[in-house]
Formats: sequence, C-alpha cells, structure tokens
Amino acid sequence: GAGVSQSPSNKVTEKGKDVELRCDPISGHTALYWYRQRLGQGLEFLIYFQGNSAPDKSGLPSDRFSAERTGESVSTLTIQRTQQEDSAVYLCASSPYGTGGASQPQHFGDGTRLSIL
Amino acid sequence: KNQVEQSPQSLIILEGKNCTLQCNYTVSPFSNLRWYKQDTGRGPVSLTIMTFSENTKSNGRYTATLDADTKQSSLHITASQLSDSASYICVVSAKNTDKLIFGTGTRLQVFP
Repeated sequence: GAGVSQSPSNKVTEKGKDVELRCDPISGHTALYWYRQRLGQGLEFLIYFQGNSAPDKSGLPSDRFSAERTGESVSTLTIQRTQQEDSAVYLCASSPYGTGGASQPQHFGDGTRLSIL
Repeated sequence: KNQVEQSPQSLIILEGKNCTLQCNYTVSPFSNLRWYKQDTGRGPVSLTIMTFSENTKSNGRYTATLDADTKQSSLHITASQLSDSASYICVVSAKNTDKLIFGTGTRLQVFP
C-alpha cells in the first residue's frame, strides 16, 4: 500500500519475553520515527532514523529498547525482557526528509498495540 | 523545558455546531506547529502545518491560527460532523531538531 504499515497490529505477551515490532515506511521516505503512546497520554518520542543511521536515540526509555533500520526501508523496534509498564501503542511515522525544522508532515502508521501480561 | 499544553482535555458538542480547541507552547526556538487528528485505534493524520510567518491556515472545515508572540494556537472546526469525533493533537517543532513535541490532545465527541 501507499501508507506506513506496521505489524503486528496487536501483540499480547508475557512479562519477561522479548518482542519485535515492525515498520514499513512509505517508499522513498528517508526519515523514520518511533513513538510510544500510553493510554490517555500524548505521543512520546523514542528514536529517529535518517537513512539507516539513528542520530537521535534520546527517547529510548532503557537499554531494553533498541531499534534498527536496514536498506533505508524497514525498521524493527525490539523490546527485551518486557515489563508491564511497556504496555502501550507503538507508532511509527515516516517523512521524505528529516523534520529538522522543515515543514513536512509525518505520515503515521496505525501502530502496534502491545499488552504485557 | 519545551512543552505543549492543550485545552480542553475533552469536549462534547452537537452535530452542526462549531468549536475551538486551544494549544499553548513553550518550545524555543520555534520552527513550526502542526495539528493532527487521531481517530480511535488509528495513527495521527496531519491537518495543518504552520511556520512562524503564518497566522492562519485552513483545511476544509478546519482552520488553525497561530500567534507566535503569545505562543498560542487554536483549531476551529466549523459545522461539525459525527466523523469529527477524534483526538486532536497539537505538535510543535523546534529549529535544528528532528524531534517533535506532542501535546496530550483534546478528545472531541460529536453527538447527533
């Protein structure tokens, strides 16, 4: 499709397990962003990719969180040893270039709803 | 600290009525301000983007205003429809950064 695609749409797992969330950005978009949205709260920045490199990882909440991007396309967000506080919707967005002050919209996927039991 | 605050937290209106949502920010140096609409269970969708020099921008029945001096923005929705029921998120970008700062949103419900 033409939009940002995320998978799975829902993930339920037991505390302590590792999870992998996938994002397929819009073709040709060099910038890719991961956000976390807890119930009733605003979006929380996690990490930003420009191409395959991540110039800003400042939002990753702990070393249990990591992300990579390959081929300037697909990105994977991995959460190790999940905890109940990780339960949230994880949203991915892409834009043609980095926002860097430029007036470009970020195009969002519909997110992965992660529930940790 | 860079912050974006929105009010009201939630709003209920009748179909056909107008409403205005507010956004105050402390982000500096300011680059641009965006309004997004987020339907339940979906990702946010961009409505408007305004830079420092723009003080109003429309997208159909949505009109956003920006006062960069007072660091306030509003989103006015005209002749509301049931499909306008969603969360409306104000997002501010600072210069020389790729990080966006999100407000917590206003939850709008439109009833027939």
